[in-house]
Amino acid sequence: GQQVQQSPSSLVLQEGENAELQCNFSSTATQLQWFYQSPGGSLVSLLSNPSGTKHTGRLTSTTVTKERRSSLHISSSQTTDSGTYLCAIDRNYAQGLTFGLGTRVSVFP
Amino acid sequence: DTTVKQNPRYKLARVGKPVNLICSQTMNHDTMYWYQKKPNQAPKLLLFYYDKILNREADTFEKFQSSRPNNSFCSLYIGSAGLEYSAMYLCASSSGGGANTGQLYFGEGSKLTVL
Repeated sequence: GQQVQQSPSSLVLQEGENAELQCNFSSTATQLQWFYQSPGGSLVSLLSNPSGTKHTGRLTSTTVTKERRSSLHISSSQTTDSGTYLCAIDRNYAQGLTFGLGTRVSVFP
Repeated sequence: DTTVKQNPRYKLARVGKPVNLICSQTMNHDTMYWYQKKPNQAPKLLLFYYDKILNREADTFEKFQSSRPNNSFCSLYIGSAGLEYSAMYLCASSSGGGANTGQLYFGEGSKLTVL
């Protein structure tokens, strides 16, 4: 089945630093989404980016479909960015998403 | 309103007892999903409803039941809870149904502890 691997597993930042999170997947994805989960909170969709580059606020996602990888760039990190970032790809024909383990980001002042 | 609501938020159950978790959404989404999330593991899809059609994952087929009495509600039922069922159960909905799943909207989860 499809597999999603994320790196690094955890990341510690000082406020203001940038970060890049990686997602690699084992088969062609028709859809790729990045999710954010705050400590104790629900999963929130950040970006849907099956190919190319997309921006929202301080987040930039770049997906290279042929190479089966996606990245999420966080610029000028803030303490409120702390949480877990998960990458998920579409299974075949609208059968839900397959998730990675996530990257736990901790931003300190 | 893009809210998915789950009840209860916390559930304590005894081994061998049944558990029923409820999810609702008001976005008129065609598809509703149930995921299981354990610490240090990725969310795992258990089953989903596309309209009235239930699809259950092969490896959890006999462990979980579900019903969808109308478009807004979906339940997850465990007939006889075991210790291994302790986990966070996440409900999600999407308007997808063609080639793509579409954007998923998640509830806050129901944390089940089996003793």
